[in-house]
Amino acid sequence: DAKTTQPPSMDCAEGRAANLPCNHSTISGNEYVYWYRQIHSQGPQYIIHGLKNNETNEMASLIITEDRKSSTLILPHATLRDTAVYYCIVFSGSARQLTFGSGTQLTVLP
Amino acid sequence: GAVVSQHPSRVICKSGTSVKIECRSLDFQATTMFWYRQFPKQSLMLMATSNEGSKATYEQGVEKDKFLINHASLTLSTLTVTSAHPEDSSFYICSASRGAEYNEQFFGPGTRLTVL
Repeated sequence: DAKTTQPPSMDCAEGRAANLPCNHSTISGNEYVYWYRQIHSQGPQYIIHGLKNNETNEMASLIITEDRKSSTLILPHATLRDTAVYYCIVFSGSARQLTFGSGTQLTVLP
Repeated sequence: GAVVSQHPSRVICKSGTSVKIECRSLDFQATTMFWYRQFPKQSLMLMATSNEGSKATYEQGVEKDKFLINHASLTLSTLTVTSAHPEDSSFYICSASRGAEYNEQFFGPGTRLTVL
């Protein structure tokens, strides 16, 4: 699986948008970008995924650059409950394995 | 939908004993289940992948005789930590996947194992 690079930590003010970047410069054509988050001492929670196009769901938006070498997860209105470690994962459907990197610790501040 | 449960949520055991952790997909059939281990302040590390009715595939460095995985049905997988030692103390998390066309993995809440 291609590797990803994320900043180790970020802060965001409550109510503001949280933009979490991810670099995946070695991504191949059939690999998806997945985002999960893990709130302390809980199992990871699926957020969103995409291949080429930008995606949006009730939780977040995913912006993937045209060359697919990087992406940004956007939480439009961060709340205190969004404080978690966010993992960007490049996933090949044929491999069916998720390889978790170190992630980004997002802290939403009141 | 797509809920995965784990039992127990916490377990404390004495060194040398065996501990069984259950992972259940409550509202879907899981063709594949995954077991992860997470040490404090570290990321999740995949231990093994199991498909219903077949032997689990273990990651390099994971002892298959120590971490016994059984995936007897499409809704249940179990992980048994045999002859547990203090270094096995960790957060064990399972996940389940619905099938080839569904790439999302749905994670259980995790099991905190403490070996005294």
